[in-house]
Amino acid sequence: SYVLTQPPSVSVAPGKTARITCGGNNIGSKSVHWYQQKPGQAPVLVIYYDSDRPSGIPERFSGSNSGNTATLTISRVEAGDEADYYCQVWDSSSDHPDWVFGGGTKLTVL
Amino acid sequence: EVQLLESGGGLVQPGGSLRLSCAASGFTFSSYAMSWVRQAPGKGLEWVSAISGSGGSTYYADSVKGRFTISRDNSKNTLYLQMNSLRAEDTAVYYCAKAGIVPANPWVFTAWGQGTTVTVSS
Repeated sequence: SYVLTQPPSVSVAPGKTARITCGGNNIGSKSVHWYQQKPGQAPVLVIYYDSDRPSGIPERFSGSNSGNTATLTISRVEAGDEADYYCQVWDSSSDHPDWVFGGGTKLTVL
Repeated sequence: EVQLLESGGGLVQPGGSLRLSCAASGFTFSSYAMSWVRQAPGKGLEWVSAISGSGGSTYYADSVKGRFTISRDNSKNTLYLQMNSLRAEDTAVYYCAKAGIVPANPWVFTAWGQGTTVTVSS
């Protein structure tokens, strides 16, 4: 089955830029989606189809995807951005479709 | 506004059964695929099962295949997950999720419920 690899943690100072990566074999050929999950809350979609933002998500959130790495970029990081972030793809390479999540990255705002 | 409300979680002994429900509102329920996603304590997200809008197609993660059954009642705007032969490793918060920006492409989860907790322990 398809595997997505994320760094366990990323730290960034307020006002700086955070980049969270998601690695996968030729992930650039797939559509990548990103979710934010704050403690005790359900996940929230922040980026879909590599770089599109749902309504209500700040422009500070952006995404890119190429080769073997997809990246979620958060500009001008705020304390409220501290959360776990998960990447996700839809994989049809096996005998059944599979919605695959990365292991998650904990973003800490210093 | 899309709303998803799960119920049915609880404490169950290993080998037992439980049925989860997810009441949906704010969108044309029958048009969209729906999924269950779980999160074990302190762990990441794991996709469990999905069902097409009509209910005619169902999909399962290998970890639950043969034990869990997903279904839906479009007349009641409700999604279900019947869980049998439960194991300790099934302990998790179970979320229902709406799949797809548009109905034809259920690749992404656009809305999530608040989750219901399932604990499998003797």
